[in-house]
Amino acid sequence: QVQLKESGPGLMQPSETLSLTCTVSGFSLTSNGVGWVRQPLGKGLVWMGTIWAGGSTNYNSAVQSRLSISRDTSKSQVFLKMNSLQPEDTGTYYCARHVRSGTRVSHFDYWGQGVMVTVSS
Amino acid sequence: DIVMTQGALPNPVPSGESVSITCRSSKSLLYSDGKTYLNWYLQRPGQSPQLLIYWMSTRASGVSDRFSGSGSGTDFTLKISGVEAEDVGVYYCQQGLEFPLTFGSGTKLEIK
Repeated sequence: QVQLKESGPGLMQPSETLSLTCTVSGFSLTSNGVGWVRQPLGKGLVWMGTIWAGGSTNYNSAVQSRLSISRDTSKSQVFLKMNSLQPEDTGTYYCARHVRSGTRVSHFDYWGQGVMVTVSS
Repeated sequence: DIVMTQGALPNPVPSGESVSITCRSSKSLLYSDGKTYLNWYLQRPGQSPQLLIYWMSTRASGVSDRFSGSGSGTDFTLKISGVEAEDVGVYYCQQGLEFPLTFGSGTKLEIK
């Protein structure tokens, strides 16, 4: 069955670079996109970016200058790197399988359990 | 960016009652392919979001038929027929028409 699982450090210092890994199973990264969604504590969902089956990426302009999404298809892993962390980057980070419909960006049909990241000195 | 605005529920809702959750988009989500790119998710307490409805009215795999989606190009409704304890959580709408994907702020459902 389709599964996604996030991993990474729970506590970061301001100005550091966050590195998260999403390990997927039950589907191929060369056939499906994977996106990252952030949820600040007690707040709503914010799409950060997606890497598509062909390897291209799209980012939310709000974080584009600090964010990079890449992958290793041989290991079925997707990576998120975000630099210059600030306390407002604190929250739960989810990876999710991103379904595209033709040229439309559509929806997320499977989600990981999420990883909590706290940015604090 | 497309702004998604969700309505509130008169919580707590009695078990067995039917409820409608509303969502409005700042731009029509009806595309030329005939699909309306509006999706609904449920985030139960302490869990990750799960897809309920996509393309405005198509139920995701395994989702109860108590959930139904409807609407126009900019105004949408998620109806839950006969709420149950397992329906508790926050419901989010999301537009999938264009980048950046955007979500509503969420509608909390509590059950009496």
